[in-house]
Amino acid sequence: DAGITQSPRYKITETGRQVTLMCHQTWSHSYMFWYRQDLGHGLRLIYYSAAADITDKGEVPDGYVVSRSKTENFPLTLESATRSQTSVYFCASSESRTPFAETQYFGPGTRLLVL
Amino acid sequence: SQQGEEDPQALSIQEGENATMNCSYKTSINNLQWYRQNSGRGLVHLILIRSNEREKHSGRLRVTLDTSKKSSSLLITASRAADTASYFCATDLNTGFQKLVFGTGTRLLVSP
Repeated sequence: DAGITQSPRYKITETGRQVTLMCHQTWSHSYMFWYRQDLGHGLRLIYYSAAADITDKGEVPDGYVVSRSKTENFPLTLESATRSQTSVYFCASSESRTPFAETQYFGPGTRLLVL
Repeated sequence: SQQGEEDPQALSIQEGENATMNCSYKTSINNLQWYRQNSGRGLVHLILIRSNEREKHSGRLRVTLDTSKKSSSLLITASRAADTASYFCATDLNTGFQKLVFGTGTRLLVSP
C-alpha cells in the first residue's frame, strides 16, 4: 500500500546496543523527518533530510545517526542505546512545493523501550 | 524551547458540544497547522492556515489565526466520541526551511 511505513512497530533493547529504526515512503517526497514523542515534551525533531544524501540536525540529535541513500528510505540509528532514548519515534515526510513548511505525513510510530 | 503552546492541556466535553483549543506561539510564522493524534497512532494533518489568512474551515473544524496576538484557535463543532484524541498545533520557523515545531498538545475527551 502507498504511504509511509515504519518498522519495527515495537522494539525492546538493552543499554549499549545499536538499534536501527526504518522508515519508508512511497510518495517520493523530498523531505523526511524523525521525531521523538515523550510525555510533557510533545514532538521533538531529531533529524531531517531535504533530499537523498542531504541531512541535518534537529532539536535533539545527540546519540542518533541518520542516512538517506535513497529518496524513499530514511533510517534512524541509535548507536549505543540509553534508557533516556526510550520513547515513541515517528517518521514523517512532506513535499516541497513552496519554500515554507507544508503538510507532513506521519508514519504509525515505533515504540522503543531501552532496558 | 516550545514555539507553540496549546491551552487547555486537557478538555472533557459531552457529545454534541463544541470544543475550542488555543495555541500561542512566540515568533513570526509563515503558516500554522493543526494535527490530530489518536491514542497509539501517528499524527494526522487537519488544516493549514497561512499567515495572511484569518479564518479557515474544513467540515466541522474552524481555525482562526491572529498574527498580532501570535495565537490560533481550533474549534470543533458538534463533537463526536470519535473526536477523542490529542490535538497539536505546529508552526514553521519562518526560516525558509520545511521544519515544524509542535506544541505539547491538548487532550480532548468526548463522552457519549
